[in-house]
Amino acid sequence: AQSVTQLGSHVSVSEGALVLLRCNYSSSVPPYLFWYVQYPNQGLQLLLKYTSAATLVKGINGFEAEFKKSETSFHLTKPSAHMRDAAEYFCAVSENRDDKIIFGKGTRLHILP
Amino acid sequence: DSGVTQTPKHLITATGQRVTLRCSPRSGDLSVYWYQQSLDQGLQFLIQYYNGEERAKGNILERFSAQQFPDLHSELNLSSLELGDSALYFCASSPPSRGNTEAFFGQGTRLTVV
Repeated sequence: AQSVTQLGSHVSVSEGALVLLRCNYSSSVPPYLFWYVQYPNQGLQLLLKYTSAATLVKGINGFEAEFKKSETSFHLTKPSAHMRDAAEYFCAVSENRDDKIIFGKGTRLHILP
Repeated sequence: DSGVTQTPKHLITATGQRVTLRCSPRSGDLSVYWYQQSLDQGLQFLIQYYNGEERAKGNILERFSAQQFPDLHSELNLSSLELGDSALYFCASSPPSRGNTEAFFGQGTRLTVV
C-alpha cells in the first residue's frame, strides 16, 4: 500500500530564505504525487502534482518539487519565502490502479520576519 | 472556491449523539473522499466512494458510516459520539481517472463534541 512520510512537523525559515519541505513516498507501482497547502480555517488546495510527464514540477506561488525515483522523494522548494507562505503543507500519493489519495501528516511552515 | 460544498460548516453536539455531515461534489466528479483532521492524528483518510459504491476504506471507526447517493452527493454519519471525535471533517471529490488527478477539497465541517 502506498504511504507518505513528511520529515519535520514544523519548519521555520526567515523571510527571503530558501524553503525546503521534505517528502518521501512508498509505492509498489509508479506513483502520482501531490503537494497541497492549507491556510488557516480553509480546506486544502493543490500546489502542484507529478504525473510522470517531467521530474521537475512547477506549481503555484513559486513552489516547485522534484521527483527522484532513486531516493523515493518529492521534496517541495521555493527559492525565497514570503510571509504569506505560512501555512500547513501536505504531501500526498496515489497510484494508477485506484483513485485513493493518501496524505502525509503535514508540515507547518513558519516564516520569521 | 473548489466547487465542493460541505454542510454544515460548524456542528456542536453532545457525547453519545449522532450527526450527519453532507457533501456535494464538483459537477462531473464521481469520486468522493472523506478525511478527518485532528491535531494529534493529522489528516486521516476515512473512506472513498466512486459512483455510488465504496471503493476504499481507511481508518474509519465502526461507529462511522458513509454513503454516496445516485445524485453523487455523499453523507458521513457519525454515531455514539465521543469527545475524541471532535475534529475537522473534509470531503473531497475528483473526476473519473486512474489516480493522476488531484482531489478538490471542501471547506470542511468542524465538529465539536461536548
